[in-house]
Amino acid sequence: AQTVTQSQPEMSVQEAETVTLSCTYDTSESDYYLFWYKQPPSRQMILVIRQEAYKQQNATENRFSVNFQKAAKSFSLKISDSQLGDAAMYFCAYHTGTASKLTFGTGTRLQVTL
Amino acid sequence: GEEVAQTPKHLVRGEGQKAKLYCAPIKGHSYVFWYQQVLKNEFKFLISFQNENVFDETGMPKERFSAKCLPNSPCSLEIQATKLEDSAVYFCASSLVASGRVSNEQFFGPGTRLTVL
Repeated sequence: AQTVTQSQPEMSVQEAETVTLSCTYDTSESDYYLFWYKQPPSRQMILVIRQEAYKQQNATENRFSVNFQKAAKSFSLKISDSQLGDAAMYFCAYHTGTASKLTFGTGTRLQVTL
Repeated sequence: GEEVAQTPKHLVRGEGQKAKLYCAPIKGHSYVFWYQQVLKNEFKFLISFQNENVFDETGMPKERFSAKCLPNSPCSLEIQATKLEDSAVYFCASSLVASGRVSNEQFFGPGTRLTVL
């Protein structure tokens, strides 16, 4: 079965500090696409960052970056200069191409403290 | 439209009643997906459509769940004879057809919270 594992149910970070959320996945496909979604209390799903598995370079979006280790099937999210608005559930997910369903991890709840 | 629209926001049903949820994908998007997020936050894929055709229905509980995407109408997800365990947030997402090695981002609607009493 294809799975996504987020081993940290909860994480906490102080404002302005850096935090890393971990994610590992298991797929037999050679081509796939990885995502981190943010879900605030409103429940709206917001795409934070994406990574194509065939690209070696790690994706970066402003304060968000990933550490993609294809051989280890690891896809961690680093949030730099954390802000109060970053507090949310974060879901790691992947799909294997056009029209393929997303497979999600169980999420990590991130708290940001003053 | 520019966003995925879902109606209603909230739906309350007694056990055994029917529930019908609607989704309008982003204009021009050919793929529609339904996901169920239960209270433990776990996401479960239900079904996907390519235009009005079922693309993948491997996640659908066949006995009570059905879904349609008809031309010029919102897509719908219907649950006959709801059970307590159907209480969840149901998300619809849509994506573009794209050729080549692109990430095919799925854009999510705000969800419909179904409460079965």
